Amino acid sequence: AQSVTQPDIHITVSEGASLELRCNYSYGATPYLFWYVQSPGQGLQLLLKYFSGDTLVQGIKGFEAEFKRSQSSFNLRKPSVHWSDAAEYFCAVGAVEGGKLIFGQGTELSVKP
Amino acid sequence: NAGVTQTPKFQVLKTGQSMTLQCAQDMNHEYMSWYRQDPGMGLRLIHYSVGAGITDQGEVPNGYNVSRSTTEDFPLRLLSAAPSQTSVYFCASSYSPGRSEAFFGQGTRLTVV
Repeated sequence: AQSVTQPDIHITVSEGASLELRCNYSYGATPYLFWYVQSPGQGLQLLLKYFSGDTLVQGIKGFEAEFKRSQSSFNLRKPSVHWSDAAEYFCAVGAVEGGKLIFGQGTELSVKP
Repeated sequence: NAGVTQTPKFQVLKTGQSMTLQCAQDMNHEYMSWYRQDPGMGLRLIHYSVGAGITDQGEVPNGYNVSRSTTEDFPLRLLSAAPSQTSVYFCASSYSPGRSEAFFGQGTRLTVV
């Protein structure tokens, strides 16, 4: 069955520190992978996506993610976190059947001064 | 460009009441969907539509009805509200389901007492 796992429910980092949010997926074919961010009280906004080609993809707000097929992972990274990055982050895989997005449980990011 | 518009933003219902959550998009997307967001569970698909007149069930459809009479609108109906339906509801639309960016509304926070 298709699934997405985000092992970390909550992460706290200091402003200026680097960030890595983990995402593991289970999918039979080459996956379409996404990272979305949800600021408090807001809808979800796309950060970046991977369809094929270069396994390191760049997104908005200085985020990047690396697709590793051997590890079934699509981890999100940022070299230097800003206080405005505090939000909830969702990894998702696009499923062929039904054309739906399957979301992970989400990781809440807190940024301390 | 409005994108995806959801109304209302907040709603309190009594058990047994019915209501309709409205969703409209102005991007001419064929694919629209409804998700509910609960703490620690990510977003779960309720119903989706691949075009006017075509709807199908997602992961958690019980207690909800949908219809799609136009490309723009995709309302979600709660037939008889239950406390278990207390959640945040998101409507989304996309050009190519599971393949392209999904655009989300700002959400409806529903409380059933």
